Amino acid sequence: EPEVTQTPSHQVTQMGQEVILRCVPISNHLYFYWYRQILGQKVEFLVSFYNNEISEKSEIFDDQFSVERPDGSNFTLKIRSTKLEDSAMYFCASVVGGASTDTQYFGPGTRLTVL
Amino acid sequence: SQKIEQNSEALNIQEGKTATLTCNYTNYSPAYLQWYRQDPGRGPVFLLLIRENEKEKRKERLKVTFDTTLKQSLFHITASQPADSATYLCAPTDTGRRALTFGSGTRLQVQP
Repeated sequence: EPEVTQTPSHQVTQMGQEVILRCVPISNHLYFYWYRQILGQKVEFLVSFYNNEISEKSEIFDDQFSVERPDGSNFTLKIRSTKLEDSAMYFCASVVGGASTDTQYFGPGTRLTVL
Repeated sequence: SQKIEQNSEALNIQEGKTATLTCNYTNYSPAYLQWYRQDPGRGPVFLLLIRENEKEKRKERLKVTFDTTLKQSLFHITASQPADSATYLCAPTDTGRRALTFGSGTRLQVQP
């Protein structure tokens, strides 16, 4: 069964460094999402992406964040200058598209640790 | 502001019993509500979606109800098994919106 994959599984970085988290959505899916989950807290929406542009973003998704679909398969989240509070699990999700009720398929996540 | 409330205390039940989890929401008029399962260190996995015009939805041992008057959804797992132990998240969603807003989840522990 097709699944969303994410790399790396764990990223450790120093405060102020740039990180890029990578996701490979399910191949025929059209909508892509990033969510994050700080340890012990709820899963929070960051951004959605469709047709090569951001379709919605939350207040968390400030100028330090950017997303890109550099080729036909990868979907990336970049954090330009990491802060301690960016430490969290980051989940990518994809949806086949069409109806807003279509199921979101989540990847296994990348654990980001900012020191 | 919109708020989603799930019981933050863990629910401990014996194997074979029915688990009932609650999701209450305020300042929402969701067109549908979804339930997801999350295991530790893993991404959420979709379980069920119920629309505002549906009172009840079933899938195998799972049942979801949706009461738009009470602004509440109940999630039932019948004949629970230790493998059902996980955190269960609800996500009420407004019409036309695609991004999910999750509750904080309820952790279910099924004892053998």
